[in-house]
Amino acid sequence: EAEVAQSPRYKITEKSQAVAFWCDPISGHATLYWYRQILGQGPELLVQFQDESVVDDSQLPKDRFSAERLKGVDSTLKIQPAELGDSAMYLCASSLEPRWSSYNEQFFGPGTRLTVL
Amino acid sequence: ILNVEQSPQSLHVQEGDSTNFTCSFPSSNFYALHWYRWETAKSPEALFVMTLNGDEKKKGRISATLNTKEGYSYLYIKGSQPEDSATYLCAFVDNYGQNFVFGPGTRLSVLP
Repeated sequence: EAEVAQSPRYKITEKSQAVAFWCDPISGHATLYWYRQILGQGPELLVQFQDESVVDDSQLPKDRFSAERLKGVDSTLKIQPAELGDSAMYLCASSLEPRWSSYNEQFFGPGTRLTVL
Repeated sequence: ILNVEQSPQSLHVQEGDSTNFTCSFPSSNFYALHWYRWETAKSPEALFVMTLNGDEKKKGRISATLNTKEGYSYLYIKGSQPEDSATYLCAFVDNYGQNFVFGPGTRLSVLP
């Protein structure tokens, strides 16, 4: 069964360091999402790609976060510099349908647990 | 900012008990509601996508209902099993998918 891959699964870093997360969506899924989930809260959308284009990054803290999906397949999310408040689970998801489809089923990866010390 | 709430925050039940929990969302501009199950150390898994008022969905012992006019959805689990232990998330979609907002989840623990 096809799955969304993410790496690393866990990352511990010190504040002010740079971190990067990688996501490989299900083959053929044009839409890719990055979410951040802080303990006790629901996942919050950071950025959405349609193929290689960003279609929504309104909640992405652009002063320190960046995301790219250069060839419209896998994607990287970067934080530089990391801050204590960035400690969270970072989830990647992909879907076959675009977000505006009512049957948009998102398939999630296992996430990267980031701890900033 | 869209407000999606889930209650209770956490729930402990005995094996064999039936249980239910609630997702509350804005009653205007409804487009779809998704339910996900998220087991510890695993990926969130889609359970249902609900789009019409009065929708009822069922998968095995799990079922869900939808009331878009009053802005809530119920998730029911009949005869809970330890493997049902997970966080159950709902996600509200409005305005033709312009916003996809998760609730904070209900954490279910089923004790053997």
